Amino acid sequence: AQKITQTQPGMFVQEKEAVTLDCTYDTSDQSYGLFWYKQPSSGEMIFLIYQGSYDEQNATEGRYSLNFQKARKSANLVISASQLGDSAMYFCAMSYSSASKIIFGSGTRLSIRP
Amino acid sequence: DVKVTQSSRYLVKRTGEKVFLECVQDMDHENMFWYRQDPGLGLRLIYFSYDVKMKEKGDIPEGYSVSREKKERFSLILESASTNQTSMYLCASREGSLHEKLFFGSGTQLSVL
Repeated sequence: AQKITQTQPGMFVQEKEAVTLDCTYDTSDQSYGLFWYKQPSSGEMIFLIYQGSYDEQNATEGRYSLNFQKARKSANLVISASQLGDSAMYFCAMSYSSASKIIFGSGTRLSIRP
Repeated sequence: DVKVTQSSRYLVKRTGEKVFLECVQDMDHENMFWYRQDPGLGLRLIYFSYDVKMKEKGDIPEGYSVSREKKERFSLILESASTNQTSMYLCASREGSLHEKLFFGSGTQLSVL
């Protein structure tokens, strides 16, 4: 069965530090995609970064990078130089080729301390 | 910009009522999705649709049905609302490829009393 697991319900990080949010996935599909979304207190869902299963390089978008370890089935989000505005819920998600759907993890609430 | 519009931001209904949640997207996307979001559980997929009149059950379809008569509109129906369906409902759409990201609506907070 396809599954996304986020084991950190909440994290506190000091401003300007780097932070890693964990995500592991389970799928038997060879072709799949991994996404990270941010949800601030306003409730909107903001797309951050995408990694395809056949991409050889880790995806990067500004301060966000995705540490993709295919053999370990992990797709951790790394935020460099955290800012107060990074305080939000973060969701890892997966799409896979055997179905048109996207499934999400339970999320991590990140709080940045000034 | 892609726009996904959910008809209501807040909704209060009584137990047993039939409830319609409407979602419209303006980018001719093939795929549309309904999720519910609950604290500690993340987003759980209720139903999705990959084409007009085509639908598939997600992980928690019980107590819900959907309708997609036109490509741009995807409706979620609670046949007989119950208190355990009190939740935030999020609609999303995307192109048909698995590499494409989701675009979300602003959500509907449904309270069933």
